[in-house]
Amino acid sequence: QSALTQPASVSGSLGQSITISCTGTSSDVGGYNYVSWYQQYPGKAPKLIIYEVSNRPSGVSNRFSGSKSGNTASLTISGLRAEDEADYYCCSYIASNTLDVVFGGGTKLTVL
Amino acid sequence: EVQLVQSGAEVKKPGESLKISCKGSGYSFTNYWLGWVRQMPGKGLEWMGIVYPGDSRTRYSPSFQGQVTISVDKSIRTAYLQWSSLKASDTAIYYCARVEYGAAEYWGQGTLVTIPS
Repeated sequence: QSALTQPASVSGSLGQSITISCTGTSSDVGGYNYVSWYQQYPGKAPKLIIYEVSNRPSGVSNRFSGSKSGNTASLTISGLRAEDEADYYCCSYIASNTLDVVFGGGTKLTVL
Repeated sequence: EVQLVQSGAEVKKPGESLKISCKGSGYSFTNYWLGWVRQMPGKGLEWMGIVYPGDSRTRYSPSFQGQVTISVDKSIRTAYLQWSSLKASDTAIYYCARVEYGAAEYWGQGTLVTIPS
């Protein structure tokens, strides 16, 4: 199982919007609506911020939104705040006879 | 309240064995898959494997098959991740997480395993 492809880093200014992409194949991202996104601060456990492509768990800001087109999923953060600076990981269900979940490589978001 | 509480940090020598744990509470333990995730120093997240406490079914990532053993004792609501012979490259933080349709909403606090070379 290959990791999903994310940009290593993205940056944006306070108040702006950014989008992080997550590219897979028709066997993972493109084949199922089971893409999730996680936010991780240094030294902390990851936090689920998007599940099933575009759903937010209770308590997650509506500044976070998810979408998918073909084999690429995207996380958009609008109205960037300093506290959004973190690492972000996508994850997808994958058609496999072994483990059926795979992460992306992670994206470091820097808020300027 | 759903909680996953992991065992404490470990420092071991190469070649030693180790078993770390993850205790679930606040939900129906046998009805959700539990997964283990590795994060090596300065690196990303990697799914290692998952276990279904209801019937102890396990599934492993090809990268970890044969390298670790995942098990569960549903009577005490605890999942385990085990090594029989540790290597320096096993140094990492290990997280457990409750998994549903590929999404992990609840995570343990992480267990740091250090194997000095």
